[in-house]
Amino acid sequence: TQLLEQSPQFLSIQEGENLTVYCNSSSVFSSLQWYRQEPGEGPVLLVTVVTGGEVKKLKRLTFQFGDARKDSSLHITAAQPGDTGLYLCAGVPSEYNNNDMRFGAGTRLTVKP
Amino acid sequence: NAGVTQTPKFQVLKTGQSMTLQCAQDMNHEYMSWYRQDPGMGLRLIHYSVGAGITDQGEVPNGYNVSRSTTEDFPLRLLSAAPSQTSVYFCASSYSRAGEGVFGAFFGQGTRLTVV
Repeated sequence: TQLLEQSPQFLSIQEGENLTVYCNSSSVFSSLQWYRQEPGEGPVLLVTVVTGGEVKKLKRLTFQFGDARKDSSLHITAAQPGDTGLYLCAGVPSEYNNNDMRFGAGTRLTVKP
Repeated sequence: NAGVTQTPKFQVLKTGQSMTLQCAQDMNHEYMSWYRQDPGMGLRLIHYSVGAGITDQGEVPNGYNVSRSTTEDFPLRLLSAAPSQTSVYFCASSYSRAGEGVFGAFFGQGTRLTVV
Protein backbone atom coordinates (compact mmCIF):
# COMPACT_ATOMS: atom_id res chain seq x y z
CA THR A 1 0.00 0.00 0.00
CA GLN A 2 1.35 3.40 -1.03
CA LEU A 3 1.64 5.98 1.72
CA LEU A 4 0.66 8.60 -0.88
CA GLU A 5 -2.14 7.55 -3.22
CA GLN A 6 -2.33 9.42 -6.49
CA SER A 7 -5.33 9.46 -8.79
CA PRO A 8 -6.02 8.96 -11.54
CA GLN A 9 -3.14 6.71 -12.50
CA PHE A 10 -3.48 7.62 -16.19
CA LEU A 11 -5.14 10.61 -17.84
CA SER A 12 -5.39 11.36 -21.54
CA ILE A 13 -7.01 14.61 -22.64
CA GLN A 14 -7.17 17.01 -25.58
CA GLU A 15 -5.26 20.25 -25.72
CA GLY A 16 -7.22 23.06 -24.10
CA GLU A 17 -9.04 20.92 -21.53
CA ASN A 18 -8.79 21.41 -17.78
CA LEU A 19 -7.81 18.63 -15.38
CA THR A 20 -7.22 17.91 -11.72
CA VAL A 21 -5.03 15.20 -10.21
CA TYR A 22 -5.05 14.19 -6.59
CA CYS A 23 -2.62 13.07 -3.91
CA ASN A 24 -4.14 11.57 -0.76
CA SER A 25 -2.87 10.01 2.43
CA SER A 26 -4.03 9.01 5.89
CA SER A 27 -0.84 10.59 7.27
CA VAL A 28 -0.19 14.23 8.08
CA PHE A 29 2.65 15.97 6.24
CA SER A 30 4.56 19.08 7.22
CA SER A 31 4.83 19.86 3.51
CA LEU A 32 4.04 18.24 0.18
CA GLN A 33 5.90 18.64 -3.04
CA TRP A 34 4.90 18.14 -6.67
CA TYR A 35 7.31 17.01 -9.37
CA ARG A 36 7.02 16.45 -13.12
CA GLN A 37 9.05 13.75 -14.79
CA GLU A 38 9.57 13.34 -18.53
CA PRO A 39 10.72 10.08 -20.16
CA GLY A 40 14.41 9.37 -19.59
CA GLU A 41 14.80 12.24 -17.13
CA GLY A 42 14.78 12.72 -13.39
CA PRO A 43 11.81 14.36 -11.64
CA VAL A 44 11.82 18.16 -11.60
CA LEU A 45 10.45 20.01 -8.58
CA LEU A 46 7.42 22.17 -9.43
CA VAL A 47 6.27 23.45 -6.06
CA THR A 48 6.26 22.87 -2.31
CA VAL A 49 3.12 23.57 -0.27
CA VAL A 50 3.60 24.05 3.45
CA THR A 51 0.53 25.52 5.15
CA GLY A 52 -2.82 23.71 5.43
CA GLY A 53 -5.24 25.29 2.96
CA GLU A 54 -2.44 26.91 1.01
CA VAL A 55 -2.95 27.57 -2.71
CA LYS A 56 0.00 28.21 -5.03
CA LYS A 57 -0.14 29.13 -8.68
CA LEU A 58 2.53 28.48 -11.27
CA LYS A 59 1.26 29.91 -14.58
CA ARG A 60 -1.56 27.52 -15.60
CA LEU A 61 -0.91 25.12 -12.69
CA THR A 62 -2.69 25.55 -9.35
CA PHE A 63 -1.61 23.54 -6.33
CA GLN A 64 -3.64 23.18 -3.16
CA PHE A 65 -2.72 21.67 0.22
CA GLY A 66 -5.62 20.27 2.20
CA ASP A 67 -6.64 21.94 5.46
CA ALA A 68 -5.67 18.84 7.43
CA ARG A 69 -2.35 18.54 5.55
CA LYS A 70 -3.18 15.00 4.43
CA ASP A 71 -3.90 15.67 0.77
CA SER A 72 -3.08 17.89 -2.15
CA SER A 73 -4.35 18.57 -5.65
CA LEU A 74 -2.90 19.88 -8.88
CA HIS A 75 -5.20 21.63 -11.35
CA ILE A 76 -4.05 22.46 -14.87
CA THR A 77 -6.01 24.99 -16.89
CA ALA A 78 -6.04 24.81 -20.69
CA ALA A 79 -3.60 21.91 -20.88
CA GLN A 80 -0.95 21.95 -23.58
CA PRO A 81 1.07 19.08 -25.12
CA GLY A 82 4.09 20.38 -23.22
CA ASP A 83 2.30 19.45 -19.97
CA THR A 84 2.60 15.77 -20.87
CA GLY A 85 4.54 13.82 -18.26
CA LEU A 86 4.43 11.89 -15.01
CA TYR A 87 3.26 14.01 -12.07
CA LEU A 88 4.51 12.88 -8.68
CA CYS A 89 3.66 14.08 -5.21
CA ALA A 90 6.06 13.57 -2.30
CA GLY A 91 6.49 14.45 1.32
CA VAL A 92 7.76 13.44 4.74
CA PRO A 93 5.03 11.99 6.98
CA SER A 94 4.97 13.61 10.39
CA GLU A 95 5.36 10.23 12.10
CA TYR A 96 8.59 9.48 10.21
CA ASN A 97 11.96 11.11 10.75
CA ASN A 98 12.42 14.38 8.91
CA ASN A 99 14.58 12.90 6.19
CA ASP A 100 12.46 9.97 5.00
CA MET A 101 10.74 11.47 1.95
CA ARG A 102 8.12 9.27 0.29
CA PHE A 103 6.67 9.46 -3.21
CA GLY A 104 3.34 8.53 -4.71
CA ALA A 105 3.22 6.27 -7.78
CA GLY A 106 2.30 9.22 -9.99
CA THR A 107 -0.30 10.30 -12.54
CA ARG A 108 0.76 9.85 -16.14
CA LEU A 109 -0.74 12.70 -18.16
CA THR A 110 -0.94 12.77 -21.95
CA VAL A 111 -2.17 15.93 -23.67
CA LYS A 112 -3.01 15.38 -27.32
CA PRO A 113 -2.72 18.25 -29.83
CA ASN B 1 25.24 24.62 -13.95
CA ALA B 2 25.71 20.87 -13.35
CA GLY B 3 23.40 20.25 -10.36
CA VAL B 4 23.32 16.48 -9.74
CA THR B 5 25.44 14.27 -11.98
CA GLN B 6 24.99 10.50 -12.14
CA THR B 7 27.16 7.97 -13.92
CA PRO B 8 26.78 5.69 -15.76
CA LYS B 9 23.49 6.31 -17.59
CA PHE B 10 23.08 2.67 -18.59
CA GLN B 11 24.55 -0.54 -17.18
CA VAL B 12 24.03 -4.26 -17.70
CA LEU B 13 25.28 -6.60 -14.99
CA LYS B 14 25.35 -10.33 -14.59
CA THR B 15 23.81 -11.86 -11.49
CA GLY B 16 26.34 -11.80 -8.66
CA GLN B 17 28.46 -8.96 -10.01
CA SER B 18 29.06 -5.85 -7.96
CA MET B 19 29.22 -2.25 -9.08
CA THR B 20 29.10 1.33 -7.86
CA LEU B 21 26.75 4.00 -9.14
CA GLN B 22 28.31 7.44 -8.86
CA CYS B 23 26.54 10.62 -7.79
CA ALA B 24 27.95 14.11 -7.38
CA GLN B 25 26.30 17.45 -6.60
CA ASP B 26 27.66 20.98 -6.73
CA MET B 27 24.93 22.79 -4.77
CA ASN B 28 26.54 22.29 -1.35
CA HIS B 29 23.44 20.48 -0.07
CA GLU B 30 23.88 18.48 3.10
CA TYR B 31 21.14 15.98 2.25
CA MET B 32 21.57 13.39 -0.49
CA SER B 33 19.56 10.28 -1.27
CA TRP B 34 19.17 7.34 -3.61
CA TYR B 35 15.86 6.13 -5.01
CA ARG B 36 14.84 3.34 -7.31
CA GLN B 37 11.90 3.71 -9.67
CA ASP B 38 9.92 0.71 -10.83
CA PRO B 39 6.76 0.73 -12.99
CA GLY B 40 3.64 1.50 -10.98
CA MET B 41 5.53 1.95 -7.71
CA GLY B 42 6.84 5.48 -7.84
CA LEU B 43 10.23 6.23 -6.31
CA ARG B 44 11.32 4.25 -3.27
CA LEU B 45 14.01 5.51 -0.94
CA ILE B 46 17.05 3.21 -0.66
CA HIS B 47 19.52 5.15 1.52
CA TYR B 48 20.09 8.75 2.45
CA SER B 49 22.70 10.94 4.05
CA VAL B 50 22.31 14.14 6.07
CA GLY B 51 25.96 15.06 5.80
CA ALA B 52 29.49 13.75 5.35
CA GLY B 53 30.01 10.65 7.46
CA ILE B 54 26.29 10.18 8.22
CA THR B 55 24.08 7.71 6.36
CA ASP B 56 20.84 5.91 7.11
CA GLN B 57 18.52 3.35 5.58
CA GLY B 58 15.38 4.16 3.67
CA GLU B 59 12.45 2.00 2.66
CA VAL B 60 14.31 -0.61 0.55
CA PRO B 61 17.98 -0.79 1.70
CA ASN B 62 18.70 -4.52 1.34
CA GLY B 63 21.43 -5.35 -1.17
CA TYR B 64 22.82 -1.80 -1.28
CA ASN B 65 25.57 0.05 0.58
CA VAL B 66 26.42 3.73 0.72
CA SER B 67 29.07 5.97 2.18
CA ARG B 68 29.50 9.74 2.31
CA SER B 69 33.08 10.90 2.66
CA THR B 70 32.50 14.38 1.18
CA THR B 71 29.57 16.75 0.87
CA GLU B 72 29.68 16.44 -2.93
CA ASP B 73 29.72 12.67 -3.48
CA PHE B 74 27.31 9.89 -2.52
CA PRO B 75 28.05 6.58 -4.29
CA LEU B 76 25.67 3.61 -4.19
CA ARG B 77 27.16 0.12 -4.17
CA LEU B 78 25.40 -3.03 -5.29
CA LEU B 79 27.11 -5.84 -3.42
CA SER B 80 25.92 -8.87 -5.43
CA ALA B 81 23.52 -7.92 -8.19
CA ALA B 82 20.21 -9.77 -8.49
CA PRO B 83 17.55 -9.58 -11.24
CA SER B 84 15.21 -7.95 -8.67
CA GLN B 85 17.56 -4.97 -8.69
CA THR B 86 16.78 -4.23 -12.32
CA SER B 87 15.43 -0.70 -12.11
CA VAL B 88 16.09 2.96 -12.78
CA TYR B 89 18.15 4.55 -10.02
CA PHE B 90 17.99 8.23 -9.16
CA CYS B 91 20.27 10.23 -6.95
CA ALA B 92 18.89 13.40 -5.39
CA SER B 93 20.30 16.35 -3.51
CA SER B 94 18.08 18.38 -1.23
CA TYR B 95 17.90 21.43 0.94
CA SER B 96 16.15 21.37 4.28
CA ARG B 97 14.49 23.75 6.68
CA ALA B 98 15.03 23.79 10.39
CA GLY B 99 12.55 21.48 12.10
CA GLU B 100 11.05 20.28 8.82
CA GLY B 101 13.85 18.13 7.41
CA VAL B 102 14.22 17.59 3.69
CA PHE B 103 12.22 20.11 1.75
CA GLY B 104 12.85 19.88 -1.98
CA ALA B 105 14.87 17.49 -4.12
CA PHE B 106 16.97 18.00 -7.22
CA PHE B 107 17.43 14.80 -9.18
CA GLY B 108 20.07 13.45 -11.49
CA GLN B 109 19.14 11.99 -14.88
CA GLY B 110 19.13 8.43 -13.60
CA THR B 111 20.98 5.16 -14.19
CA ARG B 112 19.07 2.44 -16.01
CA LEU B 113 20.37 -0.87 -14.61
CA THR B 114 19.58 -4.30 -15.99
CA VAL B 115 20.68 -7.43 -14.14
CA VAL B 116 20.63 -10.60 -16.23
